[in-house]
Amino acid sequence: DAGVIQSPRHEVTEMGQEVTLRCKPISGHNSLFWYRQTMMRGLELLIYFNNNVPIDDSGMPEDRFSAKMPNASFSTLKIQPSEPRDSAVYFCASSLLQAGELFFGEGSRLTVL
Amino acid sequence: AQKITQTQPGMFVQEKEAVTLDCTYDTSDPSYGLFWYKQPSSGEMIFLIYQGSYDQQNATEGRYSLNFQKARKSANLVISASQLGDSAMYFCASYRGSTLGRLYFGRGTQLTVWP
Repeated sequence: DAGVIQSPRHEVTEMGQEVTLRCKPISGHNSLFWYRQTMMRGLELLIYFNNNVPIDDSGMPEDRFSAKMPNASFSTLKIQPSEPRDSAVYFCASSLLQAGELFFGEGSRLTVL
Repeated sequence: AQKITQTQPGMFVQEKEAVTLDCTYDTSDPSYGLFWYKQPSSGEMIFLIYQGSYDQQNATEGRYSLNFQKARKSANLVISASQLGDSAMYFCASYRGSTLGRLYFGRGTQLTVWP
């Protein structure tokens, strides 16, 4: 069975560029989560969707970050413009229930120069 | 916000021995769930075990068990018969019933298993 699929796995970009991270959740899962992991702040929830609807985006750092889920099988996290402090590993996770076990993707490692 | 505390930045254990990784949580919500995840050096997050606040018995999954002490608000992970492949970062996480979907993570414990 396919797990959560994220792309790209690695992204190196220059400050000011737009970055788009993609996620395909596990088929049948109705909740999708975007997390960011850094050494300084650990794992932080950025936003989560339930049935494609954003439920809580209070973790989104600022207006430069946006996330969409146009359908049940695809989500994007966009950073525009990117800054060096956005460098982190971004995880997408999905679950069958809002309070169920999270299945994580392998993460997208972003480096902003 | 839900606070998860893992007081051990690093732990060492000899192969085949048992090890306990500590986790305490802070919530007044009667309904909550506790998770443990493993993150090896390759970076992926692997679910290990789950305990619900209303579960009467401690959760077990193979060599993993959760020592759930509700009054102390602790949910320690016990790994029995450690293996070299258990070397990884371990995260405790929790949600509370009033904030379904918002999983709070601790800062993690780096476990090293030596031969």
